[in-house]
Amino acid sequence: SQKIEQNSEALNIQEGKTATLTCNYTNYSPAYLQWYRQDPGRGPVFLLLIRENEKEKRKERLKVTFDTTLKQSLFHITASQPADSATYLCALDNTDKLIFGTGTRLQVFP
Amino acid sequence: DTGVSQDPRHKITKRGQNVTFRCDPISEHNRLYWYRQTLGQGPEFLTYFQNEAQLEKSRLLSDRFSAERPKGSFSTLEIQRTEQGDSAMYLCASSRQFIGDGTSNEQFFGPGTRLTVL
Repeated sequence: SQKIEQNSEALNIQEGKTATLTCNYTNYSPAYLQWYRQDPGRGPVFLLLIRENEKEKRKERLKVTFDTTLKQSLFHITASQPADSATYLCALDNTDKLIFGTGTRLQVFP
Repeated sequence: DTGVSQDPRHKITKRGQNVTFRCDPISEHNRLYWYRQTLGQGPEFLTYFQNEAQLEKSRLLSDRFSAERPKGSFSTLEIQRTEQGDSAMYLCASSRQFIGDGTSNEQFFGPGTRLTVL
């Protein structure tokens, strides 16, 4: 069966450092992969989408990589800020529904 | 506010009762999705519509759950004979998406309806 793994434990980092979150998947070949941010009690908010033939995508302080051989995506936030504290969800996408991972909670402390 | 809206935001019901939730997507979006999320988990796909056509339902969706999108605009999700295991956040999302063109777009999520079954 399809399986998506994200670090279940919270990631705690100091303000200004780079946060790196991992998304691994098995038994799936998504055409796209998306990353979302979710704050407590709110719906997810779209951050980035990367296609299977793209290795890397950037948007401001965010960077996503997508390795279809390793079946892994890495999500980086550079110069992290306390306002970046949230849960980050990766989602596999074959142009129909999204299949989400469990999310990784990021805590950025001053 | 022209985002996705959901109503109600919170619903408390007793086991065995029926509940109905409404979702109003972004007006120009042709796709509408329903997801369910429990604490500590990511959203779990339930079903989706392309305009008024329901294209897929999750195998996890029991026959107590039914969704409609009669005019290709708003959608309703009904749960009959609720059980305590139905307690969750029910999320609606919409997007612009076309079948067969091989592209994908972001989904815009509503704030969710939190259901508590006592």
